[in-house]
Amino acid sequence: DIQMTQSPSTLSASVGDRVTITCRASQSISSWLAWYQQKPGKAPKLLIYKASSLESGVPSRFSGSGSGTEFTLTISSLQPDDFGTYYCQQYDSYWTFGQGTKVEIK
Amino acid sequence: QVQLVQSGAEVKRPGSSVKVSCKASGGSFSSYSFNWVRQAPGQGLEWMGRIIPIFGKPNYARKFQGRLTLSADDSTKTTYMELNTLRSDDTAVYYCARDGSSAAAAGALSFWGQGTLVTVSA
Repeated sequence: DIQMTQSPSTLSASVGDRVTITCRASQSISSWLAWYQQKPGKAPKLLIYKASSLESGVPSRFSGSGSGTEFTLTISSLQPDDFGTYYCQQYDSYWTFGQGTKVEIK
Repeated sequence: QVQLVQSGAEVKRPGSSVKVSCKASGGSFSSYSFNWVRQAPGQGLEWMGRIIPIFGKPNYARKFQGRLTLSADDSTKTTYMELNTLRSDDTAVYYCARDGSSAAAAGALSFWGQGTLVTVSA
């Protein structure tokens, strides 16, 4: 089974900061990676698919990059509404989620 | 637009079974992948399995093999998740999710149900 490892587990940043979350796969998944945002009590929301494609309606401050085993999600200028937990997910071989990164606003 | 509406919360005894439904509207049904994902209290997301109604044969995560059954009813555009031999650590919110409408987004979970809390307690 493919394992997904995210870092950091939590991060605290100020409004306007550039924020980067990293996701590593235990084997190559090409570009079959998605990123989700989840807020407390809500279903996850798709942000990025195929590693770097922005889902319709998602603000352009979110971007994704990477291929193979190393991926990043970047928020170019953190906004108050961006708090929540972010998950990466591979869909190269079935589906596996990372353990999540909790983003707090300072 | 695509909407997924799940059945309501359940309280179950250890050893029993639960069946959760997920009704789709606003799009075609049979050719998309319907996945089930669960989230235990305070924990992360865990993929359980998926079914593509037109193919019928589900795929299950290794952890749930033998205990999980996914099914789909084309006539009502509803998918079902049945989990047997429930334990206390099956207490979680269970989500259904459908993949994206474009070929590029196939596999990424674009549409989610509201979640169904299943509580397993004696």
